[in-house]
Amino acid sequence: AQSVTQLGSHVSVSEGALVLLRCNYSSSVPPYLFWYVQYPNQGLQLLLKYTSAATLVKGINGFEAEFKKSETSFHLTKPSAHMSDAAEYFCAVSGGSRDDKIIFGKGTRLHILP
Amino acid sequence: DSGVTQTPKHLITATGQRVTLRCSPRSGDLSVYWYQQSLDQGLQFLIQYYNGEERAKGNILERFSAQQFPDLHSELNLSSLELGDSALYFCASSVVGARTDTQYFGPGTRLTVL
Repeated sequence: AQSVTQLGSHVSVSEGALVLLRCNYSSSVPPYLFWYVQYPNQGLQLLLKYTSAATLVKGINGFEAEFKKSETSFHLTKPSAHMSDAAEYFCAVSGGSRDDKIIFGKGTRLHILP
Repeated sequence: DSGVTQTPKHLITATGQRVTLRCSPRSGDLSVYWYQQSLDQGLQFLIQYYNGEERAKGNILERFSAQQFPDLHSELNLSSLELGDSALYFCASSVVGARTDTQYFGPGTRLTVL
């Protein structure tokens, strides 16, 4: 079975500062990992995904994440925060059989301070 | 705009009632997923269909049922509604429903049970 833990339900960073959103996963098989973003009153949108190719994954809007098997982590980063990055971010894991479901973390709300 | 449409956007109903939520996937996508998002439970996977057949089941209550029709649209039926069923219900679609597929989310249906 898979599970995912997002550390910090709320994270605040200043505009222009580094964004770091933490995600740790648990999986008995090699996982597939995803980061989704949800803007207010909208559905989720995929930022990036790891599917066992390169461990450093680049996504949209300047975000990237690094898969670290030894640390069972898939943290999301962006070098310089922008006001438009304020949203809720979800880490998700999938693995196992074809019928395996995707499991989402509880989410981290990112606040950008001017 | 993800290309996934959901109707209605908002639904207000009373306890004990039954409602139907509708989802049209992106053109060409064969798989549809349903999720429930609430403050206390977060984003929960309910059920997945692929080309009309049930593919995977998550935390879906027995009072809830879903189906995918030959034209690939899907409906989620919620019956004997309780106050705790108030939530945002998302539909997502993907090309073939594989674990590595990107899921495209609709804008959601906000259900309020009074």
